[in-house]
Amino acid sequence: DVKVTQSSRYLVKRTGEKVFLECVQDMDHENMFWYRQDPGLGLRLIYFSYDVKMKEKGDIPEGYSVSREKKERFSLILESASTNQTSMYLCAAGPTGFGGNTEAFFGQGTRLTVV
Amino acid sequence: EDQVTQSPEALRLQEGESSSLNCSYTVSGLRGLFWYRQDPGKGPEFLFTLYSAGEEKEKERLKATLTKKESFLHITAPKPEDSATYLCAVQATKGAQKLVFGQGTRLTINP
Repeated sequence: DVKVTQSSRYLVKRTGEKVFLECVQDMDHENMFWYRQDPGLGLRLIYFSYDVKMKEKGDIPEGYSVSREKKERFSLILESASTNQTSMYLCAAGPTGFGGNTEAFFGQGTRLTVV
Repeated sequence: EDQVTQSPEALRLQEGESSSLNCSYTVSGLRGLFWYRQDPGKGPEFLFTLYSAGEEKEKERLKATLTKKESFLHITAPKPEDSATYLCAVQATKGAQKLVFGQGTRLTINP
């Protein structure tokens, strides 16, 4: 019954490293999202994509980029990891116009620690 | 700007003690209001979507209701396994199809 899969549950990276977080969905949904979740700040949108090769900035895109070469895969890239990017990263997928008897499904999350 | 505020931040109940969680929102036009449950270290799990004022949805011990300004998640006779963080989010009719989340309510049910 897996719908959204994130490549890693836990990740530890060094400051300055380039980091790739991968997300794959098996629902054939058009929209995919990357959020980060921090205590006291809730879920904040980093980037989203509404179609292959299309992307839009969310609320906190600085220090991140994304790639969507195939419909089922949405990658989040930390160009040069910094300690303030230590967080829980959550990927979600939903159909176009979702909200009409549909919903966005989330992956299990990736806990990233930058040291 | 679309905003979601959840209260209380944390709530402790005894098993069987019913209560309600609040989600207040401001949005240009509401496409949908979502409730999720999140267990520690895991991704949010979808519970309900509500679309219009007056709508109600139920799932086991949970019932979600919606007005034009807020939503309530009512928990009836909760059990310890209902302990989790409950997240509320809104999706606007205009602009991008993103979800705007509240900060969540951390619910603890003591046996």
